[in-house]
Amino acid sequence: AQSVTQLGSHVSVSEGALVLLRCNYSSSVPPYLFWYVQYPNQGLQLLLKYTSAATLVKGINGFEAEFKKSETSFHLTKPSAHMSDAAEYFCAAAKGQGAQKLVFGQGTRLTINP
Amino acid sequence: GAVVSQHPSRVICKSGTSVKIECRSLDFQATTMFWYRQFPKQSLMLMATSNEGSKATYEQGVEKDKFLINHASLTLSTLTVTSAHPEDSSFYICSARRGSNQPQHFGDGTRLSIL
Repeated sequence: AQSVTQLGSHVSVSEGALVLLRCNYSSSVPPYLFWYVQYPNQGLQLLLKYTSAATLVKGINGFEAEFKKSETSFHLTKPSAHMSDAAEYFCAAAKGQGAQKLVFGQGTRLTINP
Repeated sequence: GAVVSQHPSRVICKSGTSVKIECRSLDFQATTMFWYRQFPKQSLMLMATSNEGSKATYEQGVEKDKFLINHASLTLSTLTVTSAHPEDSSFYICSARRGSNQPQHFGDGTRLSIL
């Protein structure tokens, strides 16, 4: 069965600092991978997705993620954190670009310190 | 495009009440809708997959008689929590997609509180 692990349930960075949120997947076949952001009391917004076209994926709001098959990882980064980036971030995996069934990681709460 | 609306955003009701939550795709036809449940500070757990015009497919451990799902049209799916109890209190989120090989678009969720 496919699983997704996010290391660190809570990450705190200073405004302007690098953001790194970790995600590892467990699958014999590289799945399609997604990063979503959730603001309080809201649904999920797609940040970016990996569909095997390119290993470095750029998303919205300055975020990007790199797919590394050798490490079975898909870590999310942003060079300079902004206060508005404070939210919950979820990594998800699915077989098939259409995300037939999404399997979510545990989530990482990002806090930005002024 | 691809807006999904969920209603109501918040429900507070007494134990034993049945509660209906609506999920609408406003600007596209959704052949498939998904229902998720999210406990505080936890991830989303898929409850069921709903295809228009057919019975929903429930995930293991989800009671289909407890959580009734209807997907009667290409723009509307409903989740009814029957005879709700405090343990059913949670954040319920729906998503919809146009078809296979299309991404899921999420609603803003419904916070259900059973007293």
